[in-house]
Amino acid sequence: DQQVKQNSPSLSVQEGRISILNCDYTNSMFDYFLWYKKYPAEGPTFLISISSIKDKNEDGRFTVFLNKSAKHLSLHIVPSQPGDSAVYFCAASGGGNKLVFGAGTILRVKS
Amino acid sequence: GAVVSQHPSWVICKSGTSVKIECRSLDFQATTMFWYRQFPKQSLMLMATSNEGSKATYEQGVEKDKFLINHASLTLSTLTVTSAHPEDSSFYICSASQGGGAYGYTFGSGTRLTVV
Repeated sequence: DQQVKQNSPSLSVQEGRISILNCDYTNSMFDYFLWYKKYPAEGPTFLISISSIKDKNEDGRFTVFLNKSAKHLSLHIVPSQPGDSAVYFCAASGGGNKLVFGAGTILRVKS
Repeated sequence: GAVVSQHPSWVICKSGTSVKIECRSLDFQATTMFWYRQFPKQSLMLMATSNEGSKATYEQGVEKDKFLINHASLTLSTLTVTSAHPEDSSFYICSASQGGGAYGYTFGSGTRLTVV
């Protein structure tokens, strides 16, 4: 039972354009959501997060949007840069300190 | 910032042998450490949660006797894959928490285990 789903295994975007990565969840008890970036053979690095009491959080080129009613969140990267090419994982936490990860989306930014 | 060091970064071992993977928090004390496993093109699956000085809590379906976890100090947790088999080949990642819930995670760089 996948509680966190990233339905797009990959996304290809032109440099300078917006990248939108999507994530859906099923567990209404999740109250904190995070995005991680991961390069091959490395551990994930924290990118941005959002609490369930908010619907938007912005940090430089990265913005995360949360739609609680739809149980959906998205990560927007604008403008996209070639160095953004990586695997992006959505993760959720519900009241404790365990993280549940989605399957990841491979982002390729073409120059 | 918080740094978690994981060693080795890759290891090849023969079937039937045991392999130990170390996870160290270098500049903070980690009250809790987590061990994940990632299969190719799949998500990070939580294997177990270890708390310093107590037994690890394993996720459903993870064999406790196969994946031994020891969290002997606030800066070190080890995962030992015992009697390894080719199906244990995977990418193992640890993370350490400084507290503060899910926000306080730092991940290690991972260990690529190949069992031949």
